[in-house]
Amino acid sequence: SAVISQKPSRDICQRGTSLTIQCQVDSQVTMMFWYRQQPGQSLTLIATANQGSEATYESGFVIDKFPISRPNLTFSTLTVSNLSPEDSSIYLCSVEGTSGSTDTQYFGPGTRLTVL
Amino acid sequence: QKEVEQNSGPLSVPEGAIASLNCTYSDRVSQSFFWYRQYSGKSPELIMSIYSNGDKEDGRFTAQLNKASQYVSLLIRDSQPSDSATYLCAVNRGVDYKLSFGAGTTVTVRA
Repeated sequence: SAVISQKPSRDICQRGTSLTIQCQVDSQVTMMFWYRQQPGQSLTLIATANQGSEATYESGFVIDKFPISRPNLTFSTLTVSNLSPEDSSIYLCSVEGTSGSTDTQYFGPGTRLTVL
Repeated sequence: QKEVEQNSGPLSVPEGAIASLNCTYSDRVSQSFFWYRQYSGKSPELIMSIYSNGDKEDGRFTAQLNKASQYVSLLIRDSQPSDSATYLCAVNRGVDYKLSFGAGTTVTVRA
């Protein structure tokens, strides 16, 4: 599976500010995904980031709040804008992969965001 | 009904015992199923995938799939303290690698 890194690993931000999270993968991938994991909860897909096209957002997530860039096949950023304490979560990027002959996803280490 | 439901935890088992985790899904078009393990403070790690009815074994882990009943399970044999983690069931949504995740079951293996 691909090696995925995220920056920063954690951050503490003031409300009203923004945080940009970077996701870097060591091989070219078509599909990259961004998830949020709120404390004690499972993973919720925010959006799918495809190189060369606009990100596709899931219901309940909008581009103004979570703008995403995908400049090439190994890199993506997620910005969480106008932060509020409710945005305190772990943000995870994942990439397409294969397990046996089955399509799946592999996850980066995550970014833990705390909003004060 | 949630897309993917897992048996509520936490599940506590003694060392050496079998831990049994269950998952049901609502979308009949789903074709592939996954178990991820997530240690506290870490990201999910893929440990098993299955797409054919029946059992699939990998070391101490066995995944079981029954598409007619829309049911997938994970058995952990000879449970070890290092198996203590949250286990997430994930189902392929059939579109562009997208997955739907269950809420997770937290397993604690008592030494």
